[in-house]
Amino acid sequence: GQSLEQPSEVTAVEGAIVQINCTYQTSGFYGLSWYQQHDGGAPTFLSYNALDGLEETGRFSSFLSRSDSYGYLLLQELQMKDSASYFCAGIGNTGKLIFGQGTTLQVKP
Amino acid sequence: GAVVSQHPSRVICKSGTSVKIECRSLDFQATTMFWYRQFPKKSLMLMATSNEGSKATYEQGVEKDKFLINHASLTLSTLTVTSAHPEDSSFYICSAPGPRLNEQFFGPGTRLTVL
Repeated sequence: GQSLEQPSEVTAVEGAIVQINCTYQTSGFYGLSWYQQHDGGAPTFLSYNALDGLEETGRFSSFLSRSDSYGYLLLQELQMKDSASYFCAGIGNTGKLIFGQGTTLQVKP
Repeated sequence: GAVVSQHPSRVICKSGTSVKIECRSLDFQATTMFWYRQFPKKSLMLMATSNEGSKATYEQGVEKDKFLINHASLTLSTLTVTSAHPEDSSFYICSAPGPRLNEQFFGPGTRLTVL
């Protein structure tokens, strides 16, 4: 089976840096993706790690360590619009996603 | 990027009725689509994998007779919630994978409310 653990809530201020951790237990694991979801909306893709290391995409970076079954999403220069839920998701060999519980990020002025 | 649509975006129905939700890939073909449900403030739970031309693959604990999935063409998958009950009220989201394993295009979701 697969399970992914994330903190339920994180609060930070505008301009700050925040890290959202994800630990997982999966079988047939091909990679770790990160998604953002605003209330009432669909998930939008942020980042993907198939190999160990850091992937950088603008203000967002994601890290994966397969040996530690651990990854994180790093958000820099936080903006109010970054207030949303963030999900890590394990990818299986068929492409299906198993989502973590989600982390609600609240950005304060 | 690729676009996936869902229809309807919102539906309210009475208990005991059936509701059909359509998921379409607008500019690409999808032999596989995925259906998720999401309760408020909760994660997305994978319900089933829809396979074009064959039976859907359901996740453990999902009633296949309750949630009928039909993948009739390379651009359309439908989810029918049969004999809906208030506990079926949820946000239903479909997705279709792109050519690369990490690509997943999500529909905008359907908010189902069963009275």
